[in-house]
Amino acid sequence: EAQVTQNPRYLITVTGKKLTVTCSQNMNHEYMSWYRQDPGLGLRQIYYSMNVEVTDKGDVPEGYKVSRKEKRNFPLILESPSPNQTSLYFCASSLRYKVENTIYFGEGSWLTVV
Amino acid sequence: GESVGLHLPTLSVQEGDNSIINCAYSNSASDYFIWYKQESGKGPQFIIDIRSNMDKRQGQRVTVLLNKTVKHLSLQIAATQPGDSAVYFCAENMSGTSYGKLTFGQGTILTVHP
Repeated sequence: EAQVTQNPRYLITVTGKKLTVTCSQNMNHEYMSWYRQDPGLGLRQIYYSMNVEVTDKGDVPEGYKVSRKEKRNFPLILESPSPNQTSLYFCASSLRYKVENTIYFGEGSWLTVV
Repeated sequence: GESVGLHLPTLSVQEGDNSIINCAYSNSASDYFIWYKQESGKGPQFIIDIRSNMDKRQGQRVTVLLNKTVKHLSLQIAATQPGDSAVYFCAENMSGTSYGKLTFGQGTILTVHP
């Protein structure tokens, strides 16, 4: 089954404690992306990757890092989480970086930073 | 900056009725639009898309209408079912090319009463 898998789905952490949200897709997609979803603000792009070893900032990259060492994986790293990073995070992938390629989203990761 | 917006944040309908969800956009350069459905606890799912050279596109029980004169997009769902209850949001590509990221609207909550 074609899917984008995120882990963990739910996490409560404390300010400053590094954490990683993993993302994996099994569709051999070149393009992967991370979004955060906040009430009243919709989906905002954090980082994206057009292929292995190619990453770039989205609209709200501050406080986040990513890496793309393998095609299937695109982890999101919060080096020193802060409460304003409490949000619902989505990983997504598509065949290539073209708008008409269908974007497949993961189930989401609820992150609370206290 | 310009952004995608919604006229109605919530919509309640009876099962079997037709639903119309609206979206206003302000960037005349946007040439590609997508509607997504997001069920509770899940990631967004692609419903239907439309390019700016079209006025209407139909899918299974869904129709998207594009009015470029007033920069308005709508999603019509025929014979709405309880399973259609979700958040619906539109997204636009403002780049005018195939290689542009999407900007997402905030969403409309559709509730279908049996």
